Amino acid sequence: DQQVKQNSPSLSVQEGRISILNCDYTNSMFDYFLWYKKYPAEGPTFLISISSIKDKNEDGRFTVFLNKSAKHLSLHIVPSQPGDSAVYFCAARGETSGSRLTFGEGTQLTVNP
Amino acid sequence: NAGVMQNPRHLVRRRGQEARLRCSPVKGHSHVYWYRQLPEEGLKFMVYLQKENIIDESGMPKERFSAEFPKEGPSILRIQQVVRGDSAAYFCASSRVLLGQRSGNTIYFGEGSWLTVV
Repeated sequence: DQQVKQNSPSLSVQEGRISILNCDYTNSMFDYFLWYKKYPAEGPTFLISISSIKDKNEDGRFTVFLNKSAKHLSLHIVPSQPGDSAVYFCAARGETSGSRLTFGEGTQLTVNP
Repeated sequence: NAGVMQNPRHLVRRRGQEARLRCSPVKGHSHVYWYRQLPEEGLKFMVYLQKENIIDESGMPKERFSAEFPKEGPSILRIQQVVRGDSAAYFCASSRVLLGQRSGNTIYFGEGSWLTVV
């Protein structure tokens, strides 16, 4: 049962444009969401997080939006840069799962110069 | 990724051998987590430990896998009698406090250990 889904395995955008990465979840007990970026042969790097009591969190070029009623969150990167090319993982934590994170399958973002 | 040290980075084992993966958390972090990433999949939680205690091992296979985080030294993920299906990237992560919805903290991942079983 995949509780966190990233339906787009890949996304390609032009440098300077907006990248929008989407994530859906099914578990209504999830209360904290995170986005990680991962380069090949490296570990995931934390980007940004959002609590379920908020609907938006912004940090520089990165903004995460949470729509609880739709069980959907998205990561916006603007403007996109070639160095943003990586796999992006959405992750969620549940109220009763302690620090255990459930990850999506990832979306490969390619930013073309 | 700053501070979480994993070794070895790459490990090749023959079927039936043992694999030991080590993780030193960020200095001052007392919470350690192990995740596994199989090819073409996302990361899957395996186990959560604090010093000398296993807190949550709900993601660990019931057999052949064990983890520890002793009072002194790194955390160890041990896989006995490895099989081809154990080939994966194993990531360790750590946090200073328990991940919480209001604290804004996160868990920090190491670079990973790539296990190949031949």
